[in-house]
Amino acid sequence: GDSVTQMEGPVTLSEEAFLTINCTYTATGYPSLFWYVQYPGEGLQLLLKATKADDKGSNKGFEATYRKETTSFHLEKGSVQVSDSAVYFCALSKSGGGADGLTFGKGTHLIIQP
Amino acid sequence: SQTIHQWPATLVQPVGSPLSLECTVEGTSNPNLYWYRQAAGRGLQLLFYSVGIGQISSEVPQNLSASRPQDRQFILSSKKLLLSDSGFYLCAWSVLAGGPNTQYFGPGTRLTVL
Repeated sequence: GDSVTQMEGPVTLSEEAFLTINCTYTATGYPSLFWYVQYPGEGLQLLLKATKADDKGSNKGFEATYRKETTSFHLEKGSVQVSDSAVYFCALSKSGGGADGLTFGKGTHLIIQP
Repeated sequence: SQTIHQWPATLVQPVGSPLSLECTVEGTSNPNLYWYRQAAGRGLQLLFYSVGIGQISSEVPQNLSASRPQDRQFILSSKKLLLSDSGFYLCAWSVLAGGPNTQYFGPGTRLTVL
């Protein structure tokens, strides 16, 4: 079946450092890919998404590129802030549409120190 | 704009007691609705999803059930809670319009079974 693998962390960085959170997936066809962010005690917020190979999703300084050849969707940000501290989830939805649930990675806990 | 509500926000229940969690969506019609559970330190597990009133798909066998009595209402229930039912329960919605199954999450319910 489909699966998503991401580094679990915690990942600890200093403010203004460069961020990369790796995400790879296993799925048939061409799934859509997502990054969600979860702040303490809250639900998940959609951060960005990409629906086909070489698409780049971006939002709030975060970017991720859909790489079909390496089945990856790594999240990057050039300069992180303390407010970026949260848990980040990579997820996919099956190709071909449909209302099935998303398949999530286990989440990466990011800690940004001032 | 669309809004999703969940209640209660937190709940502490004894083992063997019943459960009812409610989720409602505003600002959209005929949404797909989802229940996920997030256990401590783990990713999200899809429990149920629904594509319409009275239509429920179960992803994992367990002592939980779901119902959709109205178009924008989704209820998660149990007759007798187990310790293993503790976790963070998230409701989500999506609307398929020829695009990816982008899901939007509610604020969650923190359930502790003692």
